[in-house]
Amino acid sequence: AQSVTQLDSQVPVFEEAPVELRCNYSSSVSVYLFWYVQYPNQGLQLLLKYLSGSTLVKGINGFEAEFNKSQTSFHLRKPSVHISDTAEYFCAVSSRNQAGTALIFGKGTTLSVSS
Amino acid sequence: KAGVTQTPRYLIKTRGQQVTLSCSPISGHRSVSWYQQTPGQGLQFLFEYFSETQRNKGNFPGRFSGRQFSNSRSEMNVSTLELGDSALYLCASSTEGPKETQYFGPGTRLLVL
Repeated sequence: AQSVTQLDSQVPVFEEAPVELRCNYSSSVSVYLFWYVQYPNQGLQLLLKYLSGSTLVKGINGFEAEFNKSQTSFHLRKPSVHISDTAEYFCAVSSRNQAGTALIFGKGTTLSVSS
Repeated sequence: KAGVTQTPRYLIKTRGQQVTLSCSPISGHRSVSWYQQTPGQGLQFLFEYFSETQRNKGNFPGRFSGRQFSNSRSEMNVSTLELGDSALYLCASSTEGPKETQYFGPGTRLLVL
């Protein structure tokens, strides 16, 4: 079984400051890792995903994440945030050997960017 | 390409009733998954359909069911509604495989009174 823990439920930050949203996962098998963003009253949108290869993954809107196998972490970072980045962010995993596309999500982190 | 569409967007029902939600995937996507989102439990996987067959199922009671049609459109049904079924129900479509990106619809917000 897999599980995902997002260590911060809320992260307030000022505009143009850097931000890191933390994600740890637990799994007995190899996984794929994802970050999704949800803006108010909308569905989820993929920011980035780690499948294999380089542990630093770049995504949309200037976000990046680093896969750390030894620490079972997949933290999301952005060097300079904008007001428009205010949203809820979800870390998710899927098992590499599963037949389907089911995702296990963390509880989410609300990023609030203020001026 | 048109995105994932879900109908209706909002729904109010009373306890004991049943409800059917609809999802139209992105053209060419054969996998449709359903998730329940609540403030307390977060995002939880309900089930996935692929080529009209249920491929995976989450840990939900049998009151939650679904189906997929030959054009990949999917419906989910909840019978004997309970107050705790109030949630945002999200549908996602993708091509095959656990590494594929899932594309989410805007969701159906269900309120059970």
